[in-house]
Amino acid sequence: DVVLTQTPPTLSATIGQSVSISCRSSQSLLHSNGNTYLNWLLQRPGQPPQLLIYLVSRLESGVPNRFSGSGSGTDFTLKISGVEAEDLGVYYCVQSTHAPLTFGSGTKLEIK
Amino acid sequence: EVQLVESGGSLVQPGGSLKLSCVASGFTFSNYWMDWVRQTPGKSLEWIGEINTDGSKTNYAPSIKDRFTISRDNAKSTLYLQMSNVKSDDTAIYYCTRRNIGTTFAYWGQGTLVTVSS
Repeated sequence: DVVLTQTPPTLSATIGQSVSISCRSSQSLLHSNGNTYLNWLLQRPGQPPQLLIYLVSRLESGVPNRFSGSGSGTDFTLKISGVEAEDLGVYYCVQSTHAPLTFGSGTKLEIK
Repeated sequence: EVQLVESGGSLVQPGGSLKLSCVASGFTFSNYWMDWVRQTPGKSLEWIGEINTDGSKTNYAPSIKDRFTISRDNAKSTLYLQMSNVKSDDTAIYYCTRRNIGTTFAYWGQGTLVTVSS
């Protein structure tokens, strides 16, 4: 199975600060069809996860553009440019290039 | 508005069976692949399996294969997860999710809690 390693496990930020979360894969997530199926999800307290970014860098409809994704192969990054209070929660990366689909262990974002 | 509503979660004894349902609305259910995902008390997320649009193809995580079965009834816009021979490790919140073009996990239900305990 593909192992996704997220760092840091916890992150503390002030409002307006920019932060980054890393997701490293145990093998390349480049599919034979040329796509890289790496998503980012946010789970706010008491809520199910929601999709933020798919195909590494495509912003899901309705998601603020302070969120951005980048990376290729085995190294990926989620960046929040100017954290807002509503961004607190746990961020997960998830891959669907290889079966079984696997999730990272999560990064908890706390607001100072 | 896309809505996914899970039900059927409860307390079940080890070795028992349970069937979860997920009623979909706000979109043409028969056009989309669907997945089940669970979240354990330790909070990690685990993919359970997937089903194609007409229900003819399913794939499962190795950890649950042969114990769980995913099915769907497109006429009722409902996704199912039949759980059998459950174990304490199956205690989790179970979510149904819908795909979009190019992505999995585009939409999530609120989840249903399954507790396996004697």
